[in-house]
Order: sequence, then C-alpha cells, then structure tokens
Amino acid sequence: DAKTTQPPSMDCAEGRAANLPCNHSTISGNEYVYWYRQIHSQGPQYIIHGLKNNETNEMASLIITEDRKSSTLILPHATLRDTAVYYCIVRVATGYGQNFVFGPGTRLSVLP
Amino acid sequence: NAGVTQTPKFQVLKTGQSMTLQCAQDMNHEYMSWYRQDPGMGLRLIHYSVGAGITDQGEVPNGYNVSRSTTEDFPLRLLSAAPSQTSVYFCASSYLNEAFFGQGTRLTVV
Repeated sequence: DAKTTQPPSMDCAEGRAANLPCNHSTISGNEYVYWYRQIHSQGPQYIIHGLKNNETNEMASLIITEDRKSSTLILPHATLRDTAVYYCIVRVATGYGQNFVFGPGTRLSVLP
Repeated sequence: NAGVTQTPKFQVLKTGQSMTLQCAQDMNHEYMSWYRQDPGMGLRLIHYSVGAGITDQGEVPNGYNVSRSTTEDFPLRLLSAAPSQTSVYFCASSYLNEAFFGQGTRLTVV
C-alpha cells in the first residue's frame, strides 16, 4: 500500500468548510483513496473513496489531483459533531472485503 | 440492522486470566477483522477472516486466538492476559470498499 501523509491536527470554524489534505505520492494506478473518521474513541466510520475522479456524497467531497499524488477531503459546512480523527488510506479495491491500515490521521477540531 | 455488535463494552482482567471478546454481524459479510487501538495511535490489525473456517494473522497476532465457525460470529480469545494487552479492541466486517466497525471493547489488564 502506498504511504500517506496527513497533518497531525487542524482547526475549523463551525459552519465553514473543512479541507483536510492527504499526500500519497507513491500511489499506484489501481489504488483507491479512502477516507474514514473516528469520533471520540468510537469505531471508525467510512466517509468516501475514489480512484481519480472527484467524488461527492451526503457526507463529504473528495478532490483528487490529476496526477493522483494528493487529495483533499472537504466537509462543506463543518459542525461540532464533525470533530474527529480523519484517516486517509490508500488501498487496492477488491471484489469482496478487506482490511485497512490506519495511521495517526488528522485530528480535526471544529470550533464554535 | 444492528450492524456489528461487540460485547462486553468494558472489561478488567487480572494478569494471566483468559477471556473471549465477542463480535457478531448481521450483514452476511464474509470478511471480518479484529483491530486494537492504543492511546494516541491508529488501529493495528490482530487477526482477520475471509469466511467461515478461514482465519489469518495480521500485524500483531501474538497472545490472541480466533476462530470462525459461522459467518455471523468472530470471537477473539486472549489466552493469558498481560498488561501490554490493555487497549481498545474493535471488530469490523467488510464488503467491497467499506468496513463497518463495532463500538469497541475497552480492556484493562491489571
């Protein structure tokens, strides 16, 4: 799996967009970018994933650069409940299940 | 749907005791995993299973056993608890590109 690099912590004002960066300069052509988050010692929660096109769902948007060496997770209107540790993971997609390697992630604090 | 259910939520063990952490899922997923998370760190993979009767080791398997007799259940056994096994344990089931996690078991070994 390609190594990912994330800032250890970030702050964001409530109601503003939170932009969480991730570098994955050694990503290979068949590896996807996944984002999970972990709220206060709960189990991690899937947010979004993508290969090369930008993706959006009800939780967030994922912007992947054209060279795929970095990506940004965007929470468009952050709330206090978005305070969590966010994990960027690069993995090959499978046709069944798989494990994920969780590094230290980015601790996002949404401030009132 | 209950998703992934872990029991107990909290447990205190004495050094040398054994116990089983329970994990059950109702999504009919073949792939299940156990992770541990130590303070301030990411999750580390202990054991995983790709289906009933099939298990394999992850990154930190020593001191733990697993078995998978049904699709729904994937228990984790601590053979002889040690203080180094104090941690939060997460069970997950996975299908395609998404993993679903339980709420965790907080284990303290004294």
